[in-house]
This record gives sequence, C-alpha cells and structure tokens, in this order.
Amino acid sequence: NAGVTQTPKFRVLKTGQSMTLLCAQDMNHEYMYWYRQDPGMGLRLIHYSVGEGTTAKGEVPDGYNVSRLKKQNFLLGLESAAPSQTSVYFCASSDTYSNQPQHFGDGTRLSIL
Amino acid sequence: KQEVTQIPAALSVPEGENLVLNCSFTDSAIYNLQWFRQDPGKGLTSLLLIQSSQREQTSGRLNASLDKSSGRSTLYIAASQPGDSATYLCAVRSQGGSEKLVFGKGTKLTVNP
Repeated sequence: NAGVTQTPKFRVLKTGQSMTLLCAQDMNHEYMYWYRQDPGMGLRLIHYSVGEGTTAKGEVPDGYNVSRLKKQNFLLGLESAAPSQTSVYFCASSDTYSNQPQHFGDGTRLSIL
Repeated sequence: KQEVTQIPAALSVPEGENLVLNCSFTDSAIYNLQWFRQDPGKGLTSLLLIQSSQREQTSGRLNASLDKSSGRSTLYIAASQPGDSATYLCAVRSQGGSEKLVFGKGTKLTVNP
C-alpha cells in the first residue's frame, strides 16, 4: 500500500545549487501535482500533469521545472535554488474522474541556506 | 479565481465537546469538496469528499455538509478526543480543466484532555 512516495524526505541546499524531487505513485493515476506549503500561505500549486508527457503551470511555477516521462513518476526540479524556495513540498495524484480524491505523499522538507 | 477561506484559524476545546469547522468558497462551479487532516510534520490525510450533487458525507464521528449555492461547507466532529488534535484543511476541486485543488489555510484544532 505505498500510494504516493516522495524522495527525499529532507534536504538542505546552498543558494544556487540544483536538485530534483521525485514523486512516484503506484495507483495508475493520470493526474499528478506538486504543491508547496508555507506558514500563513496554505498549499499552493506549483505545476501539474494530466498524463504522461504533459505538464502545466500552476499558481507559483517560477523557479521550478517538471517532467512526466513515465506515468507513475513526476519530477520537480530546482535549477538554481533560492532561500525563498525553502518550504515543504507535497506531491499528489488523482484519477481522471472528477469524483475521486487526491492522494498525498508525506512531503519533502527543503531548506535553502 | 476560486478562493477558499477557513474560519476560525485556530480552535481549542475540551475533550468530549462537539464542534464545527467552517469552510467557504467564492465560486460555486465545483466538482467536489474535500476535507483533509494534517498532523504536525506530516502529509495530508483525506477525511471526506463531497460531490457537488451531494449534501453531506459521514465517516464515523465526522460529518461534512455542503451548500454549494451559498459556497459553504462544515465539518462536524462529534465527541472530540485529544487524538483529533490536528490541522484540518478544506479544498475545492473547481470545474474548468485542470481539476486542481484550491486549499484554505486550515483550522488548527486542539482538544484538551
């Protein structure tokens, strides 16, 4: 019963470094999402995908890139990390049908020094 | 643009009390509304999902209602327990394409023994 798995769980970066966050789901879901959660701001959508090979911008896409080369994986990249990207990142997935809930991973806690 | 508001931001109650958490949204064109629970340092756990055509959903001591025309939902927790202490998030899935969720900022609930 893995569901949605995020890797890594914690990471500390220096300003300017790059990294990739991995999200994997084993529920054969079409839709996948990346959110960030900040104190006082709630969860905000960064990018999302409606199927393999597709990506789209969400509410706060600047400074991030994504790829969905395989249906089960959704990668979030930071090319040049900035302190403003210090946050908790959540991945989610859902079925195509609108009456199905989104399932979330446990989050990646990222600090940029 | 859909906006979701949760009031109050924090709530503290004695054990055993029945309580209501509120959620309001600005655009009634939704597919569904979802209530989540988030424990400190953890991911989101889906509690209840109400379709736009439904009025309420129940799971154990939890009951969620939806009044789409007025843009309101409530989460009722009966006979609260200390283990219910967490942050409760409301999110709506709007119509019109991406099927992304728009989240409220949450209500932090503390149930005192």
